[in-house]
Amino acid sequence: DADVTQTPRNRITKTGKRIMLECSQTKGHDRMYWYRQDPGLGLRLIYYSFDVKDINKGEISDGYSVSRQAQAKFSLSLESAIPNQTALYFCATSDSQGIGYTFGSGTRLTVV
Amino acid sequence: SQQGEEDPQALSIQEGENATMNCSYKTSINNLQWYRQNSGRGLVHLILIRSNEREKHSGRLRVTLDTSKKSSSLLITASRAADTASYFCATDGHGNNRLAFGKGNQVVVIP
Repeated sequence: DADVTQTPRNRITKTGKRIMLECSQTKGHDRMYWYRQDPGLGLRLIYYSFDVKDINKGEISDGYSVSRQAQAKFSLSLESAIPNQTALYFCATSDSQGIGYTFGSGTRLTVV
Repeated sequence: SQQGEEDPQALSIQEGENATMNCSYKTSINNLQWYRQNSGRGLVHLILIRSNEREKHSGRLRVTLDTSKKSSSLLITASRAADTASYFCATDGHGNNRLAFGKGNQVVVIP
């Protein structure tokens, strides 16, 4: 099994729908992250969590929310999806030093 | 805001040649990391260099860091077709505790 598992792998949804992207990790790390990747823009941080009770906004958190259900699980929600949230979404985890992030395979989300 | 920013390059080289890509950043850092991304896949950590290091090697990878110029370079020697990927630098920003990624360099190695 992969160290970081993201579901679904691909999703097409309609504008205005609520959607949840899920992430689980088996690394035993406390830190988890959600990034968004757009062509030509690299990866941008949406939210991050340093432990179950610690949730922080990243640089582009508007329109997104997260839930840290357990040390191993960190989900990302789009409350009301809009077309410009079409992107590739990555979950990652790291140790407490933030060295060598481990990424999931990504969720390709299309909002139509 | 993003700290790591690669020179906007798309390299196309022949197998066996060396590939060099650069990264610049804006603030002080604890470390700088390089990642590889194969098409549409998750990023894979390649190498880390700390702010008090100037050069580091790992297999065919050589990373340099110039903190006075706030820049880093990644050299891949004797490239292989399997090195075809996008390469990203990422910085932690001193005291920031989270990585900011650059826009990536696409490298195509022609067999």
